[in-house]
Amino acid sequence: AQSVSQHNHHVILSEAASLELGCNYSYGGTVNLFWYVQYPGQHLQLLLKYFSGDPLVKGIKGFEAEFIKSKFSFNLRKPSVQWSDTAEYFCAVNLPNRDDKIIFGKGTRLHILP
Amino acid sequence: EPEVTQTPSHQVTQMGQEVILRCVPISNHLYFYWYRQILGQKVEFLVSFYNNEISEKSEIFDDQFSVERPDGSNFTLKIRSTKLEDSAMYFCASKTSWTPTNEQFFGPGTRLTVL
Repeated sequence: AQSVSQHNHHVILSEAASLELGCNYSYGGTVNLFWYVQYPGQHLQLLLKYFSGDPLVKGIKGFEAEFIKSKFSFNLRKPSVQWSDTAEYFCAVNLPNRDDKIIFGKGTRLHILP
Repeated sequence: EPEVTQTPSHQVTQMGQEVILRCVPISNHLYFYWYRQILGQKVEFLVSFYNNEISEKSEIFDDQFSVERPDGSNFTLKIRSTKLEDSAMYFCASKTSWTPTNEQFFGPGTRLTVL
């Protein structure tokens, strides 16, 4: 079965540190890839998405992610985090030629120290 | 900016009781979804709904679950006889039409606690 793995369950960083959250998926065919963020008490928001083209994708709030097909990875990065980035981050995949559902990873809880 | 809304934000119920979780998708959206997240676990797909019928459902979505779009604006998830293991955060999502990216817009979730 298709799955999404997020390597870190809980990450603690200081402000201005660089961030990289790992994500791997298990499916060899065409995929759409997403990173969602959930700020405390709020709904899931789309940070960025990849479905074709440039494998380096830029999203909102200074986030970017790189799709590396050979590694089945879609890691999220931000060069300098802020306290307001404290949230839970979900990597997700959709198989557009198969079905409509989005398959999520378990999430990474990011805590930024002021 | 239009958003998906869900009510209630938190529902507490006794085991065996029926619950209805409500969602108001974005108004011009045509595809609707329910997902759930048990505490500490991943967000899991439950069901998709289009043109007044279920398009796809997961193995979690058994006979205890049903969905309905009763009035053209609400999209509901009913659990007929709740079990302890139904305690979870339930997310509704919607999207406007078929797009290559399949971007779904999520609501804030309803936390269901079954005692």
